[in-house]
Amino acid sequence: NAGVTQTPKFQVLKTGQSMTLQCAQDMNHEYMSWYRQDPGMGLRLIHYSVGAGITDQGEVPNGYNVSRSTTEDFPLRLLSAAPSQTSVYFCASSYGTGFTGELFFGEGSRLTVL
Amino acid sequence: GQQLNQSPQSMFIQEGEDVSMNCTSSSIFNTWLWYKQDPGEGPVLLIALYKAGELTSNGRLTAQFGITRKDSFLNISASIPSDVGIYFCAGSTGANSKLTFGKGITLSVRP
Repeated sequence: NAGVTQTPKFQVLKTGQSMTLQCAQDMNHEYMSWYRQDPGMGLRLIHYSVGAGITDQGEVPNGYNVSRSTTEDFPLRLLSAAPSQTSVYFCASSYGTGFTGELFFGEGSRLTVL
Repeated sequence: GQQLNQSPQSMFIQEGEDVSMNCTSSSIFNTWLWYKQDPGEGPVLLIALYKAGELTSNGRLTAQFGITRKDSFLNISASIPSDVGIYFCAGSTGANSKLTFGKGITLSVRP
């Protein structure tokens, strides 16, 4: 059972480039979300989804786009990368709405924007 | 918005010692959770608490949901080197609210 799989694990971008971080889960979870982790800032919610076709903004959504066309996949798109988006990104999923907190996290994608 | 306060940012203990961490908020939470993040990995749920006053154990870990619903505590007994990592508290105010994370405490264990 793979759980939550994120790709790529490492990525370097130049300012202005776009890219997509992929997230897939095989646990049939309805809730999926993206967090970013920065030193001293903890985990901050970017976007989340409570089911296919439904997405909503989190705490720090600017500069990011998401879609949820299937239950399994929840890609995160950076439209025009900026150095401030250098971070470690985590995808997480949950059985229910996700608000009970029992999130399953992927291993993370480390992004550097030059 | 709601904030969860964890301090200090880092803790250093000797192998075999017990350590306590707390998480406080000015808001009332209905759910408290504790996660651990190993270096280079994603966070993993350690303990979930759903009722004020609840005390739950997971091996050498014990966590409590504060009576005021504004705080939670995590205790690790007889620490070992693999306890090294970042410990996050997280809370939710209800079924339709987002999960809020604290900034985490980095624990180091000296052999």
